[in-house]
Formats: sequence, C-alpha cells, structure tokens
Amino acid sequence: DTAVSQTPKYLVTQMGNDKSIKCEQNLGHDTMYWYKQDSKKFLKIMFSYNNKELIINETVPNRFSPKSPDKAHLNLHINSLELGDSAVYFCASSQSDRAGTGELFFGEGSRLTVL
Amino acid sequence: GDSVTQMEGPVTLSEEAFLTINCTYTATGYPSLFWYVQYPGEGLQLLLKATKADDKGSNKGFEATYRKETTSFHLEKGSVQVSDSAVYFCALNDFGNEKLTFGTGTRLTIIP
Repeated sequence: DTAVSQTPKYLVTQMGNDKSIKCEQNLGHDTMYWYKQDSKKFLKIMFSYNNKELIINETVPNRFSPKSPDKAHLNLHINSLELGDSAVYFCASSQSDRAGTGELFFGEGSRLTVL
Repeated sequence: GDSVTQMEGPVTLSEEAFLTINCTYTATGYPSLFWYVQYPGEGLQLLLKATKADDKGSNKGFEATYRKETTSFHLEKGSVQVSDSAVYFCALNDFGNEKLTFGTGTRLTIIP
C-alpha cells in the first residue's frame, strides 16, 4: 500500500503542450510538496501546501500551477511545456507538527521528457 | 544560499566492504542535517539525521556525525550488503522548516 503515489511515472510530450502530474498520500499528513530534480541531479523545492493553502513558492514560472483539492492530494499542472522542464518531479508529504524534523515521505518520482 | 555537496557516483563496492559517502554543506545558520535513501522503485525515505554539532545519527548500521568545524556529514557503514544498493542523498534544512536543500545523490551498487 503505497504511502505517497504519483502518476504518471513517465511522461513524454512535445514542447508547447500542457500536462499534469497527480500526487496522493494516504499517511494523513497535512503538508505536501513538489520537488524538481534537474539534469544535474539537484533536488529543489518548488511548492508546499499546508491544508490546501500555499505556503512555499520558490520562484517557479507561473506556467507551473499546483492545485490541492484536499490535504491528501497535490497535483501539478504545467502549461506550455519547454525543453528545460524536462526533469524528475517528486511529490512529498509531512506532518506540520513534526516541522523541522526533516521527516518527509516521498513518492517515486515522475520523469517528464519534453521533446 | 544554502548548498550541499556530495561525492559523485556511482560507487561500486563488494559485499562487506567499508562505505564512506562524503557530504559537505554551506549554510547561513545552524542547520539540521539528513541522509535520505532511495531504493530501486521507491520514493526517498529518511535514513538518519543530526540536529546539532557533534550529534551522531544512526540507522540500519549507517552512521553520520555532524562536524561543524569541517561542515561535513559523511555517511559510513562498516560492512555493506547487497540490499544497501540505492541512491543516497545528503540534505539540510535551515530555520527549522521543511524546505530541504539536497545534494545531487550518490548511486551505490553492492556486488556479491
């Protein structure tokens, strides 16, 4: 029973298209995140939501729009895809009363390739 | 800004060998330090952590000591197993929040 699940795991698409990646967690956590692992393998935070409210937005282009319909889901929609968006996107979750403990739970990642 | 530098991989070792994966950091404050591990087909999971200087984190035979003087948090294990094959990420957070800064990851392969 996967704790943090992302779909799809692989996504290949053309420049200019719009795509979404979905994330769900069944851990009962109230905080969810999107991280991006770029071509140099650095993992960088993009967004975090706490109880459906945006709390971290790390200067990500506004082509990226996260949506949290409830605290168990955080989806990432990307408009007008560019070559530089090719990366592995990781979803994660944590519990806010454990803030600072570093106890994030990650999904397997979604590899996006833009041609 | 904060940054984490860890040794380039991949690293290949024989079973029962001694493992060290180096990690150094740059931070403005007094960060907490973490090692995460990603096994094949799974998400990253927290392996161990240390929250202040000279603390030693340990789990599953792995250890890392928070060295403020050398700004390092090297991961060690005395005798690795095939099941330790994974990608290992060093990370820090400053200001006590969940905005983790990760290194590039080191892929470790253990051969029987």
